[in-house]
Amino acid sequence: SAVISQKPSRDICQRGTSLTIQCQVDSQVTMMFWYRQQPGQSLTLIATANQGSEATYESGFVIDKFPISRPNLTFSTLTVSNMSPEDSSIYLCSINRGTDTQYFGPGTRLTVL
Amino acid sequence: QQQVKQSPQSLIVQKGGISIINCAYENTAFDYFPWYQQFPGKGPALLIAIRPDVSEKKEGRFTISFNKSAKQFSLHIMDSQPGDSATYFCAASSFGGYQKVTFGTGTKLQVIP
Repeated sequence: SAVISQKPSRDICQRGTSLTIQCQVDSQVTMMFWYRQQPGQSLTLIATANQGSEATYESGFVIDKFPISRPNLTFSTLTVSNMSPEDSSIYLCSINRGTDTQYFGPGTRLTVL
Repeated sequence: QQQVKQSPQSLIVQKGGISIINCAYENTAFDYFPWYQQFPGKGPALLIAIRPDVSEKKEGRFTISFNKSAKQFSLHIMDSQPGDSATYFCAASSFGGYQKVTFGTGTKLQVIP
């Protein structure tokens, strides 16, 4: 298994502000993934973050709204910019360990007022 | 093409009963089918997974049945317990350098005493 931590675990933010979510992994990994889980919904991939290169965003997600940093092989951040109530979700980072298995962090529960 | 359809959306099972959750996919390139279990306030955790070269995989009380020709797979939870009450996600991915996972819509299982 993998140990993945996220900070903050939850936050309540005002409309128009930005929040940066941190993800720390217990060992080096090539790729890290960021997901969004809207209330009562499934998981949607936001982007894939490779160390040393720009993140790859999925359809419907853009870098200006969700900038991602990947400064080293154990850490990544996701920023949710210019937030609106529609951004209220759980944000999850994940990694691949081995060829198949994907492990998830505990998530960051964001509420935007 | 990339969707994974999951049913039912919610399920109530008596303690000791069998919980059955079904999923179907379209993309024949998928070659790895994990199930994730998510408790409130937690990230999804890998429960059990199967590859299409086998029709069934069992781990303890959890069994995946896989029908490649029908492009369907299901999770069976035998002797369901109240501690199994959680949301279950089926998923599918294809190995292409890294696993990009497509998730089902989730099933909220409640096991009543």
